[in-house]
Amino acid sequence: DAKTTQPTSMDCAEGRAANLPCNHSTISGNEYVYWYRQIHSQGPQYIIHGLKNNETNEMASLIITEDRKSSTLILPHATLRDTAVYYCIVRSWNYGGATNKLIFGTGTLLAVQP
Amino acid sequence: DTGVSQNPRHKITKRGQNVTFRCDPISEHNRLYWYRQTLGQGPEFLTYFQNEAQLEKSRLLSDRFSAERPKGSFSTLEIQRTEQGDSAMYLCASTSGNTIYFGEGSWLTVV
Repeated sequence: DAKTTQPTSMDCAEGRAANLPCNHSTISGNEYVYWYRQIHSQGPQYIIHGLKNNETNEMASLIITEDRKSSTLILPHATLRDTAVYYCIVRSWNYGGATNKLIFGTGTLLAVQP
Repeated sequence: DTGVSQNPRHKITKRGQNVTFRCDPISEHNRLYWYRQTLGQGPEFLTYFQNEAQLEKSRLLSDRFSAERPKGSFSTLEIQRTEQGDSAMYLCASTSGNTIYFGEGSWLTVV
């Protein structure tokens, strides 16, 4: 089962920041927080991941609380093309033969409004 | 395009027929995953390869499903005796580190 809880849907005005919350209260010390998004009928697209520090890349910022029990994905200036289902995933990472698979929940449908 | 490539992108087949999907991962990615996704649900893990070794299979992968990665490069997912419940998008993903990249998926419709 997915180890995260996300709102089912959210709206955001075009040009404004979209803040997508995620709860992962049972996260373990070796587990990372990953964010993917899926635009209708396409494969999931990697956005960002982090362990305990905040992260930023060209797509988004990831803010992880100090206790690591929740995080927020921030899209600084949402556009209509950011309308998608956003998945927050907790994933363990070990070298060797471990699967380290992603376990998806149902995500948050972000609708960016013009 | 150097991303994960999946073929065919769409397949319509009659119930009872066999179908095969192919996945070409990103070059030099030694780890490969297959997922299945039905409407309104997130992707569900099916199986995992590290190089040519199939190291994990989900209980979702019934006896009618088989996956191979013979040379540790491309992979195939075959579904035998398809059923209407097999209708879904089949996703392939690959990685060589801690970021997994997905292909665009192969849509299967069983009629």
